[in-house]
Amino acid sequence: RKEVEQDPGPFNVPEGATVAFNCTYSNSASQSFFWYRQDCRKEPKLLMSVYSSGNEDGRFTAQLNRASQYISLLIRDSKLSDSATYLCVVMDSSYKLIFGSGTRLLVRP
Amino acid sequence: EPEVTQTPSHQVTQMGQEVILRCVPISNHLYFYWYRQILGQKVEFLVSFYNNEISEKSEIFDDQFSVERPDGSNFTLKIRSTKLEDSAMYFCARGTGAPNGEKLFFGSGTQLSVL
Repeated sequence: RKEVEQDPGPFNVPEGATVAFNCTYSNSASQSFFWYRQDCRKEPKLLMSVYSSGNEDGRFTAQLNRASQYISLLIRDSKLSDSATYLCVVMDSSYKLIFGSGTRLLVRP
Repeated sequence: EPEVTQTPSHQVTQMGQEVILRCVPISNHLYFYWYRQILGQKVEFLVSFYNNEISEKSEIFDDQFSVERPDGSNFTLKIRSTKLEDSAMYFCARGTGAPNGEKLFFGSGTQLSVL
């Protein structure tokens, strides 16, 4: 089983749509959880941390279910500029980030 | 403004040559990391570096790799004898060291091409 598993997509949605990405992780001892965004051939950029209580940042909502080892990201009112690859990232006990392969999002006009 | 600056942005080298990739933090940090991403693949951990010592390294980080912070500022990744499969984007990252959840901020990367 992969350490962090994501649907590679691509998700092709119209502007204004709501889209959800899911991610599962295998190590129950994982410490922290994040969503990063990566544009083509650029560095990963931290989008948001993910907490068990759920957290929201503008149009973005992240959820963590520790029992199911499942992480989600919801994007509301998609913008063209949201087109990117979204990386589910898990931090282990030694502060090492484990990246998923990413889910590609394409927002069309 | 990037958290760390990486140089060069692109490096082309011949197989068997040594390369040094550099990372310069904006301010003084203690936690540094190197990751790499082969084209079309996921970002992979190479090594973590805390207080001028290696904290952890992956199985990718074999004897051909080394890291240093020679002058207390620049943070370098050296590949002694490059192989074709070393071709990748190499990212330096600095950490916050926050006890309640480390966050990493990446530089813009060095694209290494081994011919």
